[in-house]
Amino acid sequence: DQQVKQNSPSLSVQEGRISILNCDYTNSMFDYFLWYKKYPAEGPTFLISISSIKDKNEDGRFTVFLNKSAKHLSLHIVPSQPGDSAVYFCAASSEISGTYKYIFGTGTRLKVLA
Amino acid sequence: DAEITQSPRHKITETGRQVTLACHQTWNHNNMFWYRQDLGHGLRLIHYSYGVQDTNKGEVSDGYSVSRSNTEDLPLTLESAASSQTSVYFCASSDQTSGRGTDTQYFGPGTRLTVL
Repeated sequence: DQQVKQNSPSLSVQEGRISILNCDYTNSMFDYFLWYKKYPAEGPTFLISISSIKDKNEDGRFTVFLNKSAKHLSLHIVPSQPGDSAVYFCAASSEISGTYKYIFGTGTRLKVLA
Repeated sequence: DAEITQSPRHKITETGRQVTLACHQTWNHNNMFWYRQDLGHGLRLIHYSYGVQDTNKGEVSDGYSVSRSNTEDLPLTLESAASSQTSVYFCASSDQTSGRGTDTQYFGPGTRLTVL
């Protein structure tokens, strides 16, 4: 059973517009969430994270929103740039002491059109 | 600069062969992880280790094994390769700074394995 779901396998956005990538989770034990970005032939790289005590975290053009009651998070990229074209994975973890595992979603391929 | 490397980057093998994928990190991280990436499944955890001599099964561990004899290395062994194990394999490491799942995982470049 997929505990972290990204229901949109792909998304195309025009350069300069907003990209919104969505992620849903089912396990209420998850209390820490991350987004990773992956380019072809490279390993995933960390992008941004959010703790469940917050509902928003911002880093430059990237903002992650968390809706705990809906078990939903989203990544907003504003403005989108062609270099943002990549696969984006959301991941969930726990702040329980001694637990370091992530559970990843299936990924969303973002294409930013110039 | 500290880094995490994987070798080989590409491997073709035959069904039934034993294969070992190497992962080496120079960050002195205690935590190391192996994932496989498949279309429609994202990144799935195979095995992980929280320190020397510690190994744990992930969600897709059948047919794989790991051993941790030092901090830097976590080799992944496919005991008898199967076509279903054709995939891209990623190794990752993280520190235990926070003592919790908030420590960032750093990924290697991946190994593309084809089992014929």
